[in-house]
Amino acid sequence: DAGITQSPRHKVTETGTPVTLRCHQTENHRYMYWYRQDPGHGLRLIHYSYGVKDTDKGEVSDGYSVSRSKTEDFLLTLESATSSQTSVYFCAISELEGGYTFGSGTRLTVV
Amino acid sequence: GQQVMQIPQYQHVQEGEDFTTYCNSSTTLSNIQWYKQRPGGHPVFLIQLVKSGEVKKQKRLTFQFGEAKKNSSLHITATQTTDVGTYFCAGHGGSQGNLIFGKGTKLSVKP
Repeated sequence: DAGITQSPRHKVTETGTPVTLRCHQTENHRYMYWYRQDPGHGLRLIHYSYGVKDTDKGEVSDGYSVSRSKTEDFLLTLESATSSQTSVYFCAISELEGGYTFGSGTRLTVV
Repeated sequence: GQQVMQIPQYQHVQEGEDFTTYCNSSTTLSNIQWYKQRPGGHPVFLIQLVKSGEVKKQKRLTFQFGEAKKNSSLHITATQTTDVGTYFCAGHGGSQGNLIFGKGTKLSVKP
């Protein structure tokens, strides 16, 4: 959707390497989220942010960290990638209790 | 913790048949949202229901929110091949927690 972009769209990385995914929005929304989507598990929340430098953990946060130094950018870092982190990662933005707008996703493969 | 269950997991229909997916929460929801994800795409927000017993329509799609605000349904009349995709419900708990997604119903439509 217009207003939210994710980069990269695809990435292959080796086990043990750090990886950073970027989410950029032009909507000035307060809330930003990182989800992972895996077959049989649906969408699971990794971390979310409710403002600059304000972040919190979701249900599957182990092995991930986030940062938000500007309203428009929300970074997801895999400290040391593992094969279990192979997934499709979606960023989303919203206002409080409004509908979420999702980015196009990043397909990450850890080999 | 709060859980949102969605059934069925898969539904195969002939074009022109109706389709319904059901969503049930373990706790009372402040609102429920529905999303559609086309194959290879990202979730797209369809609608939000807030009031007990609310019914909303979008062309051939009818959305309902239960009287107890713990269940919801999406009904598609006379399916078309363009309806193919996975439909997710997602609910906000009463404490204004994060959006919890069901695992989705994958709809396939045979022409």
